[in-house]
Amino acid sequence: DTGVSQNPRHKITKRGQNVTFRCDPISEHNRLYWYRQTLGQGPEFLTYFQNEAQLEKSRLLSDRFSAERPKGSFSTLEIQRTEQGDSAMYLCAYRRGAATNEKLFFGSGTQLSVL
Amino acid sequence: AQSVTQLDSQVPVFEEAPVELRCNYSSSVSVYLFWYVQYPNQGLQLLLKYLSGSTLVKGINGFEAEFNKSQTSFHLRKPSVHISDTAEYFCAVSDRWAGGGADGLTFGKGTHLIIQP
Repeated sequence: DTGVSQNPRHKITKRGQNVTFRCDPISEHNRLYWYRQTLGQGPEFLTYFQNEAQLEKSRLLSDRFSAERPKGSFSTLEIQRTEQGDSAMYLCAYRRGAATNEKLFFGSGTQLSVL
Repeated sequence: AQSVTQLDSQVPVFEEAPVELRCNYSSSVSVYLFWYVQYPNQGLQLLLKYLSGSTLVKGINGFEAEFNKSQTSFHLRKPSVHISDTAEYFCAVSDRWAGGGADGLTFGKGTHLIIQP
């Protein structure tokens, strides 16, 4: 158990629909990350939060994507007007510890299929 | 800009044989290097990391990796593999330290380690 829960595990949607994913770390951690992983590729960074503040967005994050982290606890990632190219595994991760002891803990992800 | 190359998409190995998974990186500055493992239907787990100091780092499950700056490599090794080591292995690099840890990880495409009985 990595201490981060992602819901739903799977999401099937039709092109053009909006979808929202949720990430719940087991406890509050100041840094929370979203990654996307497509088949045969490694995770690609999308965005991250320092507490409630969204500090960085990847160029992969088009204006159809929006992420929030109200109160610095759970986070949501919304994709509007989904496209087939959005089909991927969306991973949430948080950082625990500092310096030599720090590490990222990843959730199991939400698998999105856009038909 | 940083990048990671994992040359082998798939590595078949017999059980109890040694294995090496290759990782090469490019970065214009100092780097922090990681290996993550992803078992089927599970999230990524950190195997080991190099931040500084000794170039040979040991991780969990008997894995180790050696940082070679001149060859810009960080190959992962295990002297004797088990069926349970079957998984996807990702090498990652960061050139940024922020907020108490390495940040902005760039991952390779992964290597699927297949253990044959």
